Amino acid sequence: AQSVTQLGSHVSVSEGALVLLRCNYSSSVPPYLFWYVQYPNQGLQLLLKYTSAATLVKGINGFEAEFKKSETSFHLTKPSAHMSDAAEYFCAVSEWGGTASKLTFGTGTRLQVTL
Amino acid sequence: NAGVTQTPKFRILKIGQSMTLQCTQDMNHNYMYWYRQDPGMGLKLIYYSVGAGITDKGEVPNGYNVSRSTTEDFPLRLELAAPSQTSVYFCASSRGQGQETQYFGPGTRLLVL
Repeated sequence: AQSVTQLGSHVSVSEGALVLLRCNYSSSVPPYLFWYVQYPNQGLQLLLKYTSAATLVKGINGFEAEFKKSETSFHLTKPSAHMSDAAEYFCAVSEWGGTASKLTFGTGTRLQVTL
Repeated sequence: NAGVTQTPKFRILKIGQSMTLQCTQDMNHNYMYWYRQDPGMGLKLIYYSVGAGITDKGEVPNGYNVSRSTTEDFPLRLELAAPSQTSVYFCASSRGQGQETQYFGPGTRLLVL
């Protein structure tokens, strides 16, 4: 079974600083990878996804992620953090099982942005 | 286009009570999913459906049941509520599989006392 590891359950950055959220996956086949964001008391919203096209994927709100097969990583970055980026971020991998593909989520990273 | 809607938003149940969490999507998606989210645990798949009349178990199905009589609706049933079912429940839908994006509802917060 595929799995996802997110290093760091909490990350704190200053406004304007670089955001780096780490995600490593295990998969025996080329994966589909996703980053979702969850704002307080809301559902999950797609930030970006890797579907085996370009290895550098650009998403909404200035976020991007790079797929590195050799490192089995899909880290999320943003050059300059904004207060509105404070949320929980989930990395996920799409896995075939049973009768459908299913998402396996990491445990999440809560991003705090300080002044 | 409302996307995925869930009712209720919040509910308190007593141990042993039953309830149905409602989920509706208006995007004509074939695939629908139920997840539970516990603190520090990410999301775990409870049940999913690949179309009307077809459902299958996910990672944590015990204590739950589902049905899919229409494309739009995918209710989740708790028959005998237990404290371990205290969680936030999310419904999601997608057009297809694999690389397709899942669209999530706003969630139902359930407290079992």
